[in-house]
Amino acid sequence: KAGVTQTPRYLIKTRGQQVTLSCSPISGHRSVSWYQQTPGQGLQFLFEYFSETQRNKGNFPGRFSGRQFSNSRSEMNVSTLELGDSALYLCASSEARNYGYTFGSGTRLTVV
Amino acid sequence: KNEVEQSPQNLTAQEGEFITINCSYSVGISALHWLQQHPGGGIVSLFMLSSGKKKHGRLIATINIQEKHSSLHITASHPRDSAVYICAVAPGTDKLIFGTGTRLQVFP
Repeated sequence: KAGVTQTPRYLIKTRGQQVTLSCSPISGHRSVSWYQQTPGQGLQFLFEYFSETQRNKGNFPGRFSGRQFSNSRSEMNVSTLELGDSALYLCASSEARNYGYTFGSGTRLTVV
Repeated sequence: KNEVEQSPQNLTAQEGEFITINCSYSVGISALHWLQQHPGGGIVSLFMLSSGKKKHGRLIATINIQEKHSSLHITASHPRDSAVYICAVAPGTDKLIFGTGTRLQVFP
């Protein structure tokens, strides 16, 4: 059974640009959640999608958005990148609420 | 005050030692997760607990819902256990709240 796949693994962008990250969940998992990890703030919840609907959103500005497709694959987008957006972005998939999570290896975004 | 507190922040041990990492939380939860993160960033989910105790190999996790406290124990520690261990709680909304992590180094 394939794990959670995140692409790309590494990304360097310039301030002001936008970026799209992709997450393919484990087959059969309908919940995908996204997290940001920085040295200063640690791991923080971004948003969670279930069956193409956003169920929860963390405390991040509107520049951070996401979506989920009918095959459960999810993308997150960050517009007008700032230096502070440099982080490891992780996604995790789950069969349903209160089931265990399987994490991807993450996308390391560097904004210069 | 953080909603999820872990202790200690850093831990060093000799191979073979018994290790305990603690997690206290202040919110009502539906589940608590223990995660392991190795250098490079990948996270592995070790346990999901809503009550009692779970064991997997040399790892044991316990939770006391009344006291809002959980512990992760590693028996017969090994250098390959060196990682950051993160406690996360699910307050029933699928919005995980994370502790700051415990960095464990096990020396041969």
